[in-house]
Amino acid sequence: NAGVTQTPKFRVLKTGQSMTLLCAQDMNHEYMYWYRQDPGMGLRLIHYSVGEGTTAKGEVPDGYNVSRLKKQNFLLGLESAAPSQTSVYFCASSSGPGPPIAKNIQYFGAGTRLSVL
Amino acid sequence: GQSLEQPSEVTAVEGAIVQINCTYQTSGFYGLSWYQQHDGGAPTFLSYNALDGLEETGRFSSFLSRSDSYGYLLLQELQMKDSASYFCAAPKGFNKFYFGSGTKLNVKP
Repeated sequence: NAGVTQTPKFRVLKTGQSMTLLCAQDMNHEYMYWYRQDPGMGLRLIHYSVGEGTTAKGEVPDGYNVSRLKKQNFLLGLESAAPSQTSVYFCASSSGPGPPIAKNIQYFGAGTRLSVL
Repeated sequence: GQSLEQPSEVTAVEGAIVQINCTYQTSGFYGLSWYQQHDGGAPTFLSYNALDGLEETGRFSSFLSRSDSYGYLLLQELQMKDSASYFCAAPKGFNKFYFGSGTKLNVKP
């Protein structure tokens, strides 16, 4: 059981280049999330999706776009990378909404380490 | 706004008990979750408190006091493998979560 798989694991970009990060989950989860993690700042929500074909903005959405064309995949795009987007990116999924409806356990991928020069 | 405050670092010796605190200011508070993250690894879910009181899962326990806007994670019989970062997280609405900045736990022999 693979769980949540992120590709690539590492990437170096030059300022202005574009790229797409792929997240795939095999747990048939409805909800998927993209976070970024910077030193001393914990995890910050970029975008999330509550089901196939839906996306919504999180806490820090500027400079990123997302798509959820298939239930199992959630793509994060950087159209014109900037050094401020150097970070570790985590994808997560959960079976449904959070409290007070449910506990909302999030399952995370191994992360993508991105450097923008 | 939403904020969760945690100490940045805690050090304890193997076999001891350690408490990691989390104070929060959130609107529409529904509960507090805890996640563990080893260096270079992915966060993994540890526990969730919806109600006041203590939740126990093996060596780990988590406590919540809504009246004090405060919770903590208690780790007993510390092992070297418990060296990791620990994050508290609180939901905002049904779909978003806010994470604290994390507490790095150093377990020494």
